[in-house]
Amino acid sequence: GPKVLQIPSHQIIDMGQMVTLNCDPVSNHLYFYWYKQILGQQMEFLVNFYNGKVMEKSKLFKDQFSVERPDGSYFTLKIQPTALEDSAVYFCASSLGNWASYEQYFGPGTRLTVL
Amino acid sequence: GDQVKQSPSALSLQEGTNSALRCNFSIATTTVQWFLQNPRGSLMNLFYLVPGTKENGRLKSTFNSKESYSTLHIRDAQLEDSGTYFCAADGGSGNKLIFGTGTLLSVKP
Repeated sequence: GPKVLQIPSHQIIDMGQMVTLNCDPVSNHLYFYWYKQILGQQMEFLVNFYNGKVMEKSKLFKDQFSVERPDGSYFTLKIQPTALEDSAVYFCASSLGNWASYEQYFGPGTRLTVL
Repeated sequence: GDQVKQSPSALSLQEGTNSALRCNFSIATTTVQWFLQNPRGSLMNLFYLVPGTKENGRLKSTFNSKESYSTLHIRDAQLEDSGTYFCAADGGSGNKLIFGTGTLLSVKP
């Protein structure tokens, strides 16, 4: 099926530092998403992004979080500064984004550890 | 509270047997997705459903929007079916997924 790539697969950083998580979505998809999964729990929606803009964000999407996709390159999630509670696996997803299909495809995740 | 409730939370099956997982929704949803998360954490898409039924090999899934539930039937369970099964509702907007708490399935020889 369609592949979403995420770089890096693991990231360990000190609290207070900045981190950028990168996502390469499916090439013809128009909607992009970030989700957060704490170990042993379900996936939780953070934010979606369409046409260069955030469409919707959850209460988990703190002020320290930002997303962008400059000129069709990686779709990124930046956290600045990081906090201990940001430790989790972050999943990127993308969808074609029209009423024909909102099916979301997920990347393999980036495991973020904040020390 | 839990807008998407999955049951059971864990399940152990003998290889070759059948079972059903269930997802109940307390929110309006127009589509449902089912995923299998393997022990390494990767998510595999199983089904994307509008109201109705789809079948793929040994898996069959139904989404009943009037009664707000979805089921995933596994026939002739194999060892590689082990992992955590998640259902997710689109919340009516199509622009985000609301995940259930998952069913941890263990298939034993």
